[in-house]
Amino acid sequence: QLVLTQSPSASASLGASVKLTCTLSSGHSNYGIAWHQQQPQKGPRFLMKVESDGSHTKGDGIPGRFSGSSSGAERYLTISSLQSEDEADYYCQTSTVFGGGTKLTVL
Amino acid sequence: EVQLVESGGGLVQPGGSLRLSCAASGFSSSGYWMSWVRQAPGKGLEWVANIKQDGSEKYYVDSVKGRFTISRDNAKNSLFLQMNSLRAEDTAVYYCSRGSKWGSLADCWGQGTLVIVSS
Repeated sequence: QLVLTQSPSASASLGASVKLTCTLSSGHSNYGIAWHQQQPQKGPRFLMKVESDGSHTKGDGIPGRFSGSSSGAERYLTISSLQSEDEADYYCQTSTVFGGGTKLTVL
Repeated sequence: EVQLVESGGGLVQPGGSLRLSCAASGFSSSGYWMSWVRQAPGKGLEWVANIKQDGSEKYYVDSVKGRFTISRDNAKNSLFLQMNSLRAEDTAVYYCSRGSKWGSLADCWGQGTLVIVSS
């Protein structure tokens, strides 16, 4: 059964970079995923799709500070030059499965 | 502008029914898989159901099978979720999302509609 694993929380300082990880369960390392951002009291917002080869396709209007990459069964979301509005929950998804989400705190 | 707008949420008693709607604009929904995803208070996102472009395939999370029915009207660019035999644990914000031509990886979300199941 496909499971996506995310760390429950992460933190980084204003202006710094952070790399969030989504790990695909065994046997599913070739799956692409989507990253979504959910700011407090708002609905989810699509950020990008990340393929197993590391290529990624961003949604309309997503700043260049957001990028995606892959290594094996891990899919990454890197946010550089952190801003206060980046403080949010970040979810990875593949088709009908969501990860548990990572709550990002900007210090 | 691509947009999804949900409606139909509200307060309903346990055992009751609700029908959620999702109106798509800015694109033809007939070209995409569509899904319903929910989020219980303080919890993460949970996929609920999805439907293929022509309605020929529908899938559900186990917890709603036999109680919820997803449907679509491509002529009206709309997606629906009929929810019957509602339980307290169905309380959540329900979002519709657009997938792709091949599956339900979401690339667009609605703002959500709140369903509260309580006596």
